Parts: sequence; C-alpha cells; structure tokens
Amino acid sequence: NAGVMQNPRHLVRRRGQEARLRCSPMKGHSHVYWYRQLPEEGLKFMVYLQKENIIDESGMPKERFSAEFPKEGPSILRIQQVVRGDSAAYFCASSPALGTTNEKLFFGSGTQLSVL
Amino acid sequence: DQQVKQNSPSLSVQEGRISILNCDYTNSMFDYFLWYKKYPAEGPTFLISISSIKDKNEDGRFTVFLNKSAKHLSLHIVPSQPGDSAVYFCAASADYGANSKLTFGKGITLSVRP
Repeated sequence: NAGVMQNPRHLVRRRGQEARLRCSPMKGHSHVYWYRQLPEEGLKFMVYLQKENIIDESGMPKERFSAEFPKEGPSILRIQQVVRGDSAAYFCASSPALGTTNEKLFFGSGTQLSVL
Repeated sequence: DQQVKQNSPSLSVQEGRISILNCDYTNSMFDYFLWYKKYPAEGPTFLISISSIKDKNEDGRFTVFLNKSAKHLSLHIVPSQPGDSAVYFCAASADYGANSKLTFGKGITLSVRP
C-alpha cells in the first residue's frame, strides 16, 4: 500500500473550519475510493471516483462532504464546516481499471482528522 | 445495521498455534469476501479472498473457509507468528468484487504471544 499517498497524515481543525484531504493513487490506477473509520468501528465506504467522474457516492453524507478526482492531480475529499463527529481516520484506496477484483485495491496510510 | 459482523474484538494465541478469526454476514447479495490485515498507523493490506462459488481458499499459512448457508466465514492462520499480531478486518462485496464497494466488519485484534 506504499504506493497510495495520502496527505496530510494528521489534520487538526476547529469546529466550523474546512478540511481538505488529498489522495494520489498508485501509478497507473484510475479508480479511487474513500473510506472513513470512526473510533472502534470498521471502515465505511464513502465514495468511488474515476477521473473526472463520481461513480458511486452512496456512502457520502448529504451535506458538507464532497469529493473530486480531476483529470490532473490528486483526489480531494473536502469537508466543510467540520463538527466533532467528523473526527475519524479517512482512507483512500486505488485500483487499476474497470473489472478488476478487489484484491487489486490498495489502501493509503490514511489521514487522521481531529476536530477540536 | 451491521451487515458484516466480527463479534470477538480480540484474540490471543500462542506462537505456533492456530488462530481462528470468525466473521458473519447478513446480506445475501454478498458474493465475494476478503480479509485485510492492518497495522497501527497504516492502511489495510489485502490478505486473502474467497468467492461464493468456493468454500475454501488457501494461501500459505492462511486459509479462508466460507459457509454460505450459515453466512459465516473464518480465517485460519497456522502456525501463528508474532508478526501476525495486527487488526484483521473481514470485508464483503457484491458483483464478485469487481470495482464494487466493500463492507467491513469492526475488526479483530490478534495478539500472538512468543
């Protein structure tokens, strides 16, 4: 999983601020997934993107959260007006192409978001 | 509503013995199951998987068993080694795991005592 780069590793925000989490997929990967892990919980799916397209956002909260994966540059998960309940580890994963199985899904080391 | 359940939060075994990690699921649409291993401050890494058309898959020291009628799977590690100490997540997906979202359990912390 060393190839999926997430930054920052740790992010501290005060309530009401914005959080931007970045994910650079592995070289050659065009599919990106975002997962969130709340304390004492498993990872929960948030969104699945290909370049310039959102494929599945069924796990995204309806408000304050957005994600993009532009043609150039990393994928961004944006959380506006953060609240304490947003404190969690956010993991990005990437896979090479359509039709590949989940074994080819590689996770980054995550961004730990702490909201004060 | 937890669709993938790992009811035991932790397991401790002696080095050289077998570790058995259990997982139950409720969603009949799941047809692909995976185990991930996670060390602190790292992301999950893929360990082993099994399709619903099989009941067993083996890879070295790791074997996954699937009982579809009971909606239950288990991961066997034998012999267990201290380096196996980590959190193990069971995950499930539909569409035979092709680019589909994963549903994770809460994880089991395995400690292997030297």
